[in-house]
Amino acid sequence: GQQLNQSPQSMFIQEGEDVSMNCTSSSIFNTWLWYKQDPGEGPVLLIALYKAGELTSNGRLTAQFGITRKDSFLNISASIPSDVGIYFCAGQLGTSGSRLTFGEGTQLTVNP
Amino acid sequence: GAGVSQSPRYKVAKRGQDVALRCDPISGHVSLFWYQQALGQGPEFLTYFQNEAQLDKSGLPSDRFFAERPEGSVSTLKIQRTQQEDSAVYLCASRREPVGRKYGYTFGSGTRLTVV
Repeated sequence: GQQLNQSPQSMFIQEGEDVSMNCTSSSIFNTWLWYKQDPGEGPVLLIALYKAGELTSNGRLTAQFGITRKDSFLNISASIPSDVGIYFCAGQLGTSGSRLTFGEGTQLTVNP
Repeated sequence: GAGVSQSPRYKVAKRGQDVALRCDPISGHVSLFWYQQALGQGPEFLTYFQNEAQLDKSGLPSDRFFAERPEGSVSTLKIQRTQQEDSAVYLCASRREPVGRKYGYTFGSGTRLTVV
């Protein structure tokens, strides 16, 4: 099935460093979402973006909805060990009832 | 309950066996989704219900997959004659209808199916 192109696939960083990951698509989306998934758990929503060009923050996390509606990025500032996990972007075309299309994920490892 | 509950958490099936996976959504959530997540991949859409109506089943990979939600709450995903390629984590998500800019999608912890 269709998936978004998410990069990088994995990152190994030191505690305190900033992290950036992005997601691109050949199709436009009307909503972009960023999720974090811990082992053995379902994805948990971090940030939702609803408008092209929108820049939204949630604590140390900042995400932007690309102006073309075909891309998004997520930044994590001053990483901490509990940031370890897999980060997924997801796009949604419509509103009610529309499926989410997910990226392949970015595995983040933070060394203390 | 407070979250989306899925059972069983783990299921090992012999090839050819039928399995049934259960999802208890958040009370009052009218929308329910099933996703399949293969190892090392992002979740992929399977099917969507609004109350008891299955409005989109285009993601079901074959006619061996069947989902139902007869009373508009609990949903069951059934896989007949399981094959090794069915091995994956099956995630259920429920959603309250958007209110303003609130999104409201909540995933369960999933059922890890291993077909041997």
